[in-house]
Amino acid sequence: ETGVTQTPRHLVMGMTNKKSLKCEQHLGHNAMYWYKQSAKKPLELMFVYSLEERVENNSVPSRFSPECPNSSHLFLHLHTLQPEDSALYLCASSQDRTIGNEKLFFGSGTQLSVL
Amino acid sequence: GESVGLHLPTLSVQEGDNSIINCAYSNSASDYFIWYKQESGKGPQFIIDIRSNMDKRQGQRVTVLLNKTVKHLSLQIAATQPGDSAVYFCAENIPPGGGNKLTFGTGTQLKVEL
Repeated sequence: ETGVTQTPRHLVMGMTNKKSLKCEQHLGHNAMYWYKQSAKKPLELMFVYSLEERVENNSVPSRFSPECPNSSHLFLHLHTLQPEDSALYLCASSQDRTIGNEKLFFGSGTQLSVL
Repeated sequence: GESVGLHLPTLSVQEGDNSIINCAYSNSASDYFIWYKQESGKGPQFIIDIRSNMDKRQGQRVTVLLNKTVKHLSLQIAATQPGDSAVYFCAENIPPGGGNKLTFGTGTQLKVEL
């Protein structure tokens, strides 16, 4: 158990649906991240939040909308997705974003299938 | 842009043997490196890390070696066990620091044969 919990574990949605992914960390960390993991590709950073403020958005399409209501919770709202968005979406946290705290703690991910 | 790569996509070893997983990086400014293990259906799990001011670090059954001259990183697993079967990938941190600057490789599939 890494201390980072993601729900749901699996999600199947149509292109017109709206759904949300949830992440909760019990580590007292101040930074949270969303990554996309596609088959045979490196992890792709999507969003970074530090103390509930979005500090990085790596050219992610607007059909992905993050939300960080507090330092323990992170959401990824999905709408009008495309089949190529099917992937494993991983949430991670770190103590903060300073030198010496680069280690990320990952959740188990949400396996998303877009039909 | 610069990225982290791996020499072998799949590595098969016999149970009890030592495993060596390699990683090449191309950014000489990288100051921190980390190895993760990812089992099927799970998220990446931290194994070991090393800073650029070191060339070797040991954990429980694992050792990471860093060769900055040739920009090479390796993960050695002693007495490989069936439970070690997973995808292993490395990541490098490019200054300025912070977790969001970790660049990940694609991974090596380690298969442990009984």
